[in-house]
Amino acid sequence: DIQMTQSPSSVSASVGDSVTITCRASQTIYTYLHWYQLKSGKAPQLLIYAASRLQSGVPSRFSGSGSGTDFTLTISSLQPEDFATYYCQQSYSPPFTFGPGTKVDI
Amino acid sequence: EVQLLESGGGLVQPGGSLRLSCTASGFTFSSYAMSWVRQAPGKGLEWVSAISGSGGSTYYADSVKGRFTTSRDNSKNTLYLQMNSLRAEDTAIYYCAKDPSHTSSWFADYWGQGTLVTVSS
Repeated sequence: DIQMTQSPSSVSASVGDSVTITCRASQTIYTYLHWYQLKSGKAPQLLIYAASRLQSGVPSRFSGSGSGTDFTLTISSLQPEDFATYYCQQSYSPPFTFGPGTKVDI
Repeated sequence: EVQLLESGGGLVQPGGSLRLSCTASGFTFSSYAMSWVRQAPGKGLEWVSAISGSGGSTYYADSVKGRFTTSRDNSKNTLYLQMNSLRAEDTAIYYCAKDPSHTSSWFADYWGQGTLVTVSS
């Protein structure tokens, strides 16, 4: 099975800051990597798919990069609504595992 | 508008069974793979299972393999998760989610609001 790790596990930031979250796969997953945002009491929201493609309707301050085993999600100019937990997921091979999450808080 | 509505959650004793349903609307259900993902209290997202649009292919997390079965009824636009031999560690909010592609990309662009399953005596 492919193991996914994320760092940091949590980060404190302020409105207007830029935040970068890293996701690493235990073997190459090419660009089969996706990012989600999860807020308490709400359904997860797809932000980035295929490592770098912005999902329709998602603000352009979210961006993704990487391929192979190392990936990043960057949120430029944090907004109050961005304080949430972020997860990466690989869809290269089953089981389609998630990373452990990165909490972005104030 | 894509809508996914889970139902069937509740309180069940350890060793018991429960069947979750997810009723879909707003898209051609049979054309898309579907997934189940869960979140235990205070924990992160855990991928549980996925099924192809035809139902011919299914995949499971090691933690539920042999205990959970995913199926679908395309005539009813409904996804199911049959959960047997439930354990306390299966306590979670269970989400159903829709694949974004006709070709089964195995991630999700739309999610339901979730249904809570509590396994406790």
